[in-house]
Amino acid sequence: AQKVTQAQTEISVVEKEDVTLDCVYETRDTTYYLFWYKQPPSGELVFLIRRNSFDEQNEISGRYSWNFQKSTSSFNFTITASQVVDSAVYFCALSEANRDDKIIFGKGTRLHILP
Amino acid sequence: DAGITQSPRYKITETGRQVTLMCHQTWSHSYMFWYRQDLGHGLRLIYYSAAADITDKGEVPDGYVVSRSKTENFPLTLESATRSQTSVYFCASSDGQVYGYTFGSGTRLTVV
Repeated sequence: AQKVTQAQTEISVVEKEDVTLDCVYETRDTTYYLFWYKQPPSGELVFLIRRNSFDEQNEISGRYSWNFQKSTSSFNFTITASQVVDSAVYFCALSEANRDDKIIFGKGTRLHILP
Repeated sequence: DAGITQSPRYKITETGRQVTLMCHQTWSHSYMFWYRQDLGHGLRLIYYSAAADITDKGEVPDGYVVSRSKTENFPLTLESATRSQTSVYFCASSDGQVYGYTFGSGTRLTVV
């Protein structure tokens, strides 16, 4: 069965600090997809990244970076030089191939960036 | 406007009443989904649809009914609302290529 665990329920850091959000997943499939979504205080869900199971390259997008490690079933998300606007709930998610595009979400990590 | 829209944005209803949440997408995406978001539970899948007239249960389907007579619409009905169904409901759509969903803005439902 597929499962996504975000062990950090809530994190607070001071602005400009780096912060890493952890995500551990479980799946029996060899082909799967991992996602991160952001939910700012306004409530909408914003897609951040998709990674397939065959691509273990780390990705960097501005201040955001993602570290995918199949050996530890982890897909961690790091924000460098955090800003107040990064305050949000972040969801890690998993979709197995050939499963009708269903995505299973973790419970989310609430990130507070303190000025 | 292109996109995915949910209505209403906010709804208060009484226990036992039937209420329908609407979801409309303009992309002709084949897949549509309903999730509920509750504190401590994240997002949980209620129902999904792979195409018009094809629907299937997700993780928490009890107390909900869906239909999909047209590709662009995927209404979610609470047949007899209960307080435990107080939640934020999100609709999403995708083209089946596992590129991730586009979500609607959500409906905040309160059952009193």
